[in-house]
Order: sequence, then C-alpha cells, then structure tokens
Amino acid sequence: GDSVTQMEGPVTLSEEAFLTINCTYTATGYPSLFWYVQYPGEGLQLLLKATKADDKGSNKGFEATYRKETTSFHLEKGSVQVSDSAVYFCALSDRGSARQLTFGSGTQLTVLP
Amino acid sequence: NAGVTQTPKFQVLKTGQSMTLQCAQDMNHNSMYWYRQDPGMGLRLIYYSASEGTTDKGEVPNGYNVSRLNKREFSLRLESAAPSQTSVYFCASTYGGGLNTGELFFGEGSRLTVL
Repeated sequence: GDSVTQMEGPVTLSEEAFLTINCTYTATGYPSLFWYVQYPGEGLQLLLKATKADDKGSNKGFEATYRKETTSFHLEKGSVQVSDSAVYFCALSDRGSARQLTFGSGTQLTVLP
Repeated sequence: NAGVTQTPKFQVLKTGQSMTLQCAQDMNHNSMYWYRQDPGMGLRLIYYSASEGTTDKGEVPNGYNVSRLNKREFSLRLESAAPSQTSVYFCASTYGGGLNTGELFFGEGSRLTVL
C-alpha cells in the first residue's frame, strides 16, 4: 500500500536558519503530494501541494518539488521565523474519488529567537 | 465561516463507556473522514464517507462505528471505550468526486482520554 516516510524530529533551529524536512513516499500510481502544518492546539491546514512530477508547490516562503525519480517531496524554507514553529506532515493522496490521504508521522519544528 | 466543527473538544471516559464524537461541515463537501492522531504515528484513517449514504473502513476501524447522518454531518461512535483509544480525533472533509483537489479541511480536534 501507499506510505510516507518523513524525517524524524524534533528539529530545533535558530531564527533565519535554513530548513529542510525530508519526505519520501511509496505509491502504486501517480499520487498528489501535500505538506500540511499543525500549529499548537489547532487542526491541520494545507501548506502546499503538487499534483504531478516536477511541480513545485509554494506558500508562505515554503517550497517543495515533486521528484518522481527519487520519490521525494522535501520541504524547504530559506529563513525560518519563530511563528513557523509547528508540526509538519507530509502526505499523499490517491486519485480515487474518496481521495484518502496517507500521512507521514510528522516533524516537530521549534524555531528559537 | 465555521468550516469543520467538532464536538466535544475534550472528553474523559472510563473503560467500557460509550460516546459519540460529532462533526459537521458547512462547505457542501461530499467526502468526510475521521482520523486519529497518536504521538509518532501521524494521522491514521479510521473511517471515511466518500458521499452521503456511504461509509467505508480505513486503516484502523476496530472499536469504532460511524454514521453519515446527512451531507453535513459525520459522527464517530465508540461503543465500549478502551485505553488504547486515548487519542486526538480529527474530522476532515473535502469536495470529493470530480471536484476533488485532494485538499482536506480539518476540524480543531477532539482530545479523548480513556481511563
């Protein structure tokens, strides 16, 4: 079945540092890929997505590129802020009508001032 | 916009008690989902409803039942709670079908503790 493996956390960075959170996937078809973010005490919300190979999703300074050859969708940000502290989830979606999401285990990011 | 609303937000149960988690969405979405979130395990799908009138098991359905009451509402029931069901539960929805972008919209979560 489909699966998502993402970088173990927690990750602690200083403000303005460069962020990379690795994500690799296994899927039988051609899934869509997502990064969701969960701020403390809240539900998940979509951060960015990519629906086909070589697509780059971007939002709020975060970027991720759909790499079919390496089955990866790594999340990057050039300069993190304290407000980016959250849990980040990589996910994939099959193309059936139910569109179930398969999530990675999540990576806790803490940014220190 | 309310989006996805879950109740209750917190609940403590004793082993063997039953309860129902309620979820409602006001976005006219066709598909609705229940996930549980446990430390180090991400989110795991319990049940989903691709459209009104249908429900299907997800990855971890044992010990749970669901009801798609109408297009807006999707409830999750624990008939006889067990400590292993201590978790944070999230309801989510999406358009489904041909309008489906794959993006899920989540509620704020319901934290359940079973003693």
